[in-house]
Amino acid sequence: GEDVEQSLFLSVREGDSSVINCTYTDSSSTYLYWYKQEPGAGLQLLTYIFSNMDMKQDQRLTVLLNKKDKHLSLRIADTQTGDSAIYFCAEGKNDKLIFGTGTRLQVFP
Amino acid sequence: DSGVTQTPKHLITATGQRVTLRCSPRSGDLSVYWYQQSLDQGLQFLIHYYNGEERAKGNILERFSAQQFPDLHSELNLSSLELGDSALYFCASSVAQGGRNPSTDTQYFGPGTRLTVL
Repeated sequence: GEDVEQSLFLSVREGDSSVINCTYTDSSSTYLYWYKQEPGAGLQLLTYIFSNMDMKQDQRLTVLLNKKDKHLSLRIADTQTGDSAIYFCAEGKNDKLIFGTGTRLQVFP
Repeated sequence: DSGVTQTPKHLITATGQRVTLRCSPRSGDLSVYWYQQSLDQGLQFLIHYYNGEERAKGNILERFSAQQFPDLHSELNLSSLELGDSALYFCASSVAQGGRNPSTDTQYFGPGTRLTVL
């Protein structure tokens, strides 16, 4: 099927690291993406990873890819209150993106 | 600001009515994608146009249609509206087509149109 799965909620303390997990479906997907959606706003592309990579780091963001298990994760270092949002993983498949269910990240002081 | 614009921001209408949502892609982008975000279905791909031609269809109802005009803006038409059509409708654009190469296929999303059907 086309279900990309994520846990629904994550709550972390400000300054800690957040890890958001995603399980995707299609091993032939070439690129995997992370998007952020703040309340009342559209989706903002955070980062992406090519499927032949294991890891990609971009400032506070680290993406890990386990292609064998079809598992993708996004680690946010030094999480801030401004990181509170819904995070979507997505797999690029032909002409469309298949999105996960979204993880709501709540950061508390 | 992604550079993708959508109008209107909010739309409230009654069941049975017809509405048109409009999207202007980023300058230079040839592809436009439409997505629906609802509480029960999540974020679902509806349809993709590239340079005026339909390229891919997702879970788009027959009551819905879209087109992309020569100036590359796109419209999503929703007719015979039902309560369940209430959702956020997003438009995204990319330079090229497909999800294979982020340098040309990365999709940039507009702020969305919130449709409420009463």
